[in-house]
Amino acid sequence: AQTVTQSQPEMSVQEAETVTLSCTYDTSESNYYLFWYKQPPSRQMILVIRQEAYKQQNATENRFSVNFQKAAKSFSLKISDSQLGDTAMYFCAFQNGDSSYKLIFGSGTRLLVRP
Amino acid sequence: EPEVTQTPSHQVTQMGQEVILRCVPISNHLYFYWYRQILGQKVEFLVSFYNNEISEKSEIFDDQFSVERPDGSNFTLKIRSTKLEDSAMYFCASSSDLTDTQYFGPGTRLTVL
Repeated sequence: AQTVTQSQPEMSVQEAETVTLSCTYDTSESNYYLFWYKQPPSRQMILVIRQEAYKQQNATENRFSVNFQKAAKSFSLKISDSQLGDTAMYFCAFQNGDSSYKLIFGSGTRLLVRP
Repeated sequence: EPEVTQTPSHQVTQMGQEVILRCVPISNHLYFYWYRQILGQKVEFLVSFYNNEISEKSEIFDDQFSVERPDGSNFTLKIRSTKLEDSAMYFCASSSDLTDTQYFGPGTRLTVL
């Protein structure tokens, strides 16, 4: 069974600085997708970024980028130029690309951006 | 931009009562999901639905739960006889394809007293 591990329960960063959130996963599949979702205090789940495992290039969305290390099964999220609005819970998620299409979530990292 | 909507935003019910949580997925999406998040815990998959059938369900999704797409727009989750431990945030999600990104609704907070 696939598992997703986020080892940092809480992180803190100064506004305008860069922070990296860690995520590791365990799977025997070769075709899969990885996601970072953001959950602000409103508790809405918002997609931040998506990575296809077959793509070697790391995904980027504006200030958000990932470091996808397939061999190490690592998928970290880098937030550049942190803004107060980035304060939220961040969940890493895994999706099997061939059979079960459910999202498997990590336990989350609570990020606080300090002014 | 199209979005998933959910009603109600907050539902309070007595233990043993039936509740129906409603979702309107993005209009051209064909795959629908329910997830739940107990306060302070991770988001957990409940069920996926496609072509008017359940595609997959978790062990949480027992006989007390059911899903339905009663018309062309709504997707509902029914809990027949609620328990205290059903208190959670329930998220609906939809996607256009099996491996497409799942877009989440704002959630329904269910409180069982």
